[in-house]
Amino acid sequence: KQEVTQIPAALSVPEGENLVLNCSFTDSAIYNLQWFRQDPGKGLTSLLLIQSSQREQTSGRLNASLDKSSGRSTLYIAASQPGDSATYLCAVGFQNGNKLVFGAGTILRVKS
Amino acid sequence: EAQVTQNPRYLITVTGKKLTVTCSQNMNHEYMSWYRQDPGLGLRQIYYSMNVEVTDKGDVPEGYKVSRKEKRNFPLILESPSPNQTSLYFCASSKSPFYEQYFGPGTRLTVT
Repeated sequence: KQEVTQIPAALSVPEGENLVLNCSFTDSAIYNLQWFRQDPGKGLTSLLLIQSSQREQTSGRLNASLDKSSGRSTLYIAASQPGDSATYLCAVGFQNGNKLVFGAGTILRVKS
Repeated sequence: EAQVTQNPRYLITVTGKKLTVTCSQNMNHEYMSWYRQDPGLGLRQIYYSMNVEVTDKGDVPEGYKVSRKEKRNFPLILESPSPNQTSLYFCASSKSPFYEQYFGPGTRLTVT
């Protein structure tokens, strides 16, 4: 069964700290991996999309890496701010099937 | 503005009363999908559509129906809602399952 796991489930850090969110998946045959942000009561906003041929993608203070062979991705957030507080979701596009499989998310709280 | 819209945003209904949640996108995307989000379970796919008149079951299709008569619209139909369908529902669209996904704002459904 294709599964996506995110660790930790919740994280609380002081403002300014660099942090890493983890995503692991059970099948290395993937098309891509996508990181989303979800604010309370809102929809999902795409942050970064990494194709299977890529190792990482960067956008501003965000950097996502992908290691297909080990079935892992990390989302690195530099110099965290209170506005970064949200739930972060990882979704994997597996080659077997026409769908994304989502992890349960990491709830991030950045304290000022 | 490129967007996915859903209506209604909030709905409280009673068991057995048929309802439809509409989804519309203005990006000419071929691929559309419906998800439900429940605490601790992440997003689970209900149905997806690869193009007009082409729909298929996702991971949790029981109790739901969909149709894709026009490219821009993908309504979700609950013929006889039950309390276990109380959830937060999201519609998404993209060029394909493996391109960047665009999500609607969500519909919070409560079935009593």
